[in-house]
This record gives sequence, structure tokens and C-alpha cells, in this order.
Amino acid sequence: EAGVAQSPRYKIIEKRQSVAFWCNPISGHATLYWYQQILGQGPKLLIQFQNNGVVDDSQLPKDRFSAERLKGVDSTLKIQPAKLEDSAVYLCASSLDPGPSYEQYFGPGTRLTVT
Amino acid sequence: GQQVMQIPQYQHVQEGEDFTTYCNSSTTLSNIQWYKQRPGGHPVFLIQLVKSGEVKKQKRLTFQFGEAKKNSSLHITATQTTDVGTYFCAGRRSNYQLIWGAGTKLIIKP
Repeated sequence: EAGVAQSPRYKIIEKRQSVAFWCNPISGHATLYWYQQILGQGPKLLIQFQNNGVVDDSQLPKDRFSAERLKGVDSTLKIQPAKLEDSAVYLCASSLDPGPSYEQYFGPGTRLTVT
Repeated sequence: GQQVMQIPQYQHVQEGEDFTTYCNSSTTLSNIQWYKQRPGGHPVFLIQLVKSGEVKKQKRLTFQFGEAKKNSSLHITATQTTDVGTYFCAGRRSNYQLIWGAGTKLIIKP
């Protein structure tokens, strides 16, 4: 079974530039999550999709971050414009269901450096 | 807001010593999951606890869920170099939202 795919793996941009990340979840997984993990901290949920609908985006900085999951499969996360504090690893995860019994499978992450 | 506090932030042990990390929630959780993240890697699911007072074992790892379903612990017996990494708890609220602890980093002293 293929895992969660993410690209790119690394990205370096200057502040005020834009960047986009892509995620393809495990086949058949209805729920997709985007997390931000700052060095030395735990993952912080940015947005959770079930199929192509948003379940939770309460911690997404909507003035600069946006995400979509067209057709309920793969997803993109965009930052525009980027700030220095956005430097982090952006993790995508998927699970069969958002219900309480389902573990999350994580992709390798995209390491973003904003200079 | 609801938080999951995890302690300690770091633990240095000699190889062969035991390791324990604790998670505490301000409110009752539906369940709690534990993940391990190796240096430079991504979180990998270890286990899920659902029932009050539940105890589960995986070889040298013992996981406990408190009677009030507000706290949990992970204990590793006789640590090995392969145990190095950061251990996260993630507590699930009744609305299915997963709240992550800050993690405990296990460091094996040379």
C-alpha cells in the first residue's frame, strides 16, 4: 500500500513570496489533515478535510493560508504572502475516517524555510 | 482552550534505563493516541487507548489511560538506541478533534 505522498520535500523562499504544497493521501482515505510543525514542537492542525469538505480550519491563518481538496482526493496548501514565522515542516496526514478510532498516516513533510 | 500537557520535554537516559512520558488533559478525552517521531522523520502511529483504566503493552512499551480519561503515560523498559526520538500523545475530543501534546524527546546518553 502506497503511503501519503507530499511534494516538494524542501522549499526555500523569501518573505512575502508565495508557496504551494501538494499532498496525495492513501487511496480510500476520506479524511486529510494539514499540520504545521515548528522545530521542537508538536504538530499543530491547520485544516482537516473529510472528502472535499472542511471539518475544522479553526487554526488556519486565513489571511495568508488557504487549502483546497478538489474531488476529495489530493490537496494543496498555499501560503501567500509568506512570513519568517512560517518556517516549519508542513505535514500532510490521512485517515480512513474522522471518527475516533482511526489512526493518522503521515507523509514525509515539506520543510519550508522563509528568509 | 483545551490543552494536552506533556512532560517532560526532554529525558536523557543511559541505554538500558527506563523512560516515561506523561500526558494530562484539562478535560475528558474520547481516546488518546501515541505517536513516535524519529529525528528528521514524520510521526508514526504507535497505539490508541479508548477505555478508562486501559493498559496495553507492545514488547518493552507500556501504555496506560487514566480512570478519568484525562491522563495517559508511556513507559519504555530497558531503552535501546532504536527508541531514540520524540514521543507525542494526541488526545481526541468528543467532536473528533485531535489535540497534540508538545512531545517528549528521548535522548540516549553515549
